[in-house]
Amino acid sequence: DQQVKQNSPSLSVQEGRISILNCDYTNSMFDYFLWYKKYPAEGPTFLISISSIKDKNEDGRFTVFLNKSAKHLSLHIVPSQPGDSAVYFCAARENNNAGNMLTFGGGTRLMVKP
Amino acid sequence: EAQVTQNPRYLITVTGKKLTVTCSQNMNHEYMSWYRQDPGLGLRQIYYSMNVEVTDKGDVPEGYKVSRKEKRNFPLILESPSPNQTSLYFCASSPRYVNEQFFGPGTRLTVL
Repeated sequence: DQQVKQNSPSLSVQEGRISILNCDYTNSMFDYFLWYKKYPAEGPTFLISISSIKDKNEDGRFTVFLNKSAKHLSLHIVPSQPGDSAVYFCAARENNNAGNMLTFGGGTRLMVKP
Repeated sequence: EAQVTQNPRYLITVTGKKLTVTCSQNMNHEYMSWYRQDPGLGLRQIYYSMNVEVTDKGDVPEGYKVSRKEKRNFPLILESPSPNQTSLYFCASSPRYVNEQFFGPGTRLTVL
């Protein structure tokens, strides 16, 4: 059973508008969350993260929101650009002795149309 | 340039023929791991290593082996590949207890 879920396999938005990517999790022991971006034929690259003690983290056009009570996080991209077209993975870390072990969601393919 | 490298990038093989996918990082990271990516399932961890000679199973270790004899290298070994191991494989590394992992470019494996 997947502990991290991204229920939208794909999302299409117009250039300049907001992109909102969603992620839900079930494990209440997760204490750190990350978003990765992946282009075709490349490995995932780290985008932004948030600790469970916060509810928002912002980095330029990217903002991640965390709602612990709902076990939900979202990534907002404003304004969206064609270069943002990629697959986005949500990941979570459990606070245990496994150190850096991450659990990933299934990914959402974002297409930003010019 | 700081990077994680994997070889080969593409591999087509047949059932039962042993193979090794190499992974090397030049950032002196303690933590290394292997993931496989399958449609709709995201990345699932196969094995990880928190330091030299320390390895442990991830979520999907069956059919795989790893070793960590040197800090920079973390090869993934398939002793007897089967078609259900056809997948896209990623190696990743990070300093210990740093959450953000650096990923290699991926190895696309097809087992016929």
